[in-house]
Amino acid sequence: DAGITQSPRHKVTETGTPVTLRCHQTENHRYMYWYRQDPGHGLRLIHYSYGVKDTDKGEVSDGYSVSRSKTEDFLLTLESATSSQTSVYFCAISGWDTERSLHFGNGTRLTVT
Amino acid sequence: AQTVTQSQPEMSVQEAETVTLSCTYDTSESDYYLFWYKQPPSRQMILVIRQEAYKQQNATENRFSVNFQKAAKSFSLKISDSQLGDAAMYFCAYRSLYNAGNMLTFGGGTRLMVKP
Repeated sequence: DAGITQSPRHKVTETGTPVTLRCHQTENHRYMYWYRQDPGHGLRLIHYSYGVKDTDKGEVSDGYSVSRSKTEDFLLTLESATSSQTSVYFCAISGWDTERSLHFGNGTRLTVT
Repeated sequence: AQTVTQSQPEMSVQEAETVTLSCTYDTSESDYYLFWYKQPPSRQMILVIRQEAYKQQNATENRFSVNFQKAAKSFSLKISDSQLGDAAMYFCAYRSLYNAGNMLTFGGGTRLMVKP
């Protein structure tokens, strides 16, 4: 498996609280991504990073922010969690390998009550 | 922006039989990559197979093969000799060669059930 670790694996939080999800990679890959998975929608891109301190928005970025201070770490923050942000969150990485595919972490199930 | 559509929310197949999962996509680009990912109940995302648009030959990985119809913008996955372990969500995904982020765009997924 590609070296990607997401934490926590599960989290329950209350509406209005801040939440930070963490993604750590050991592959030294340039690109990192945050996706959310919801039934019927597949995986949708929230934010991505193409280098340290270089990030950009994805399809569903409202209500989320990200930071990447080191190559290996990519943080996703929900400043004030809402029930619509209840989802499974996946981190993924990509390098300039021959597969051109993404390698995924095991996901974080977030429940906002 | 590209879109990926999987029109079959659920499919079922008898063990040892063959099943085909459908995927269509919309793009104006001529070069791109297409992928099928498998997500078992463990939630892990596993790459099953990939296809480069410039290759006319359909990709094959053991029991998994694709039918890539570029003009029709269709990319179906065929699973032969289905096994109980094939039961999972399957996602079709598109990757442009021209966007800066190299991200994937996913379809909504197809849940495959395998009957013993």
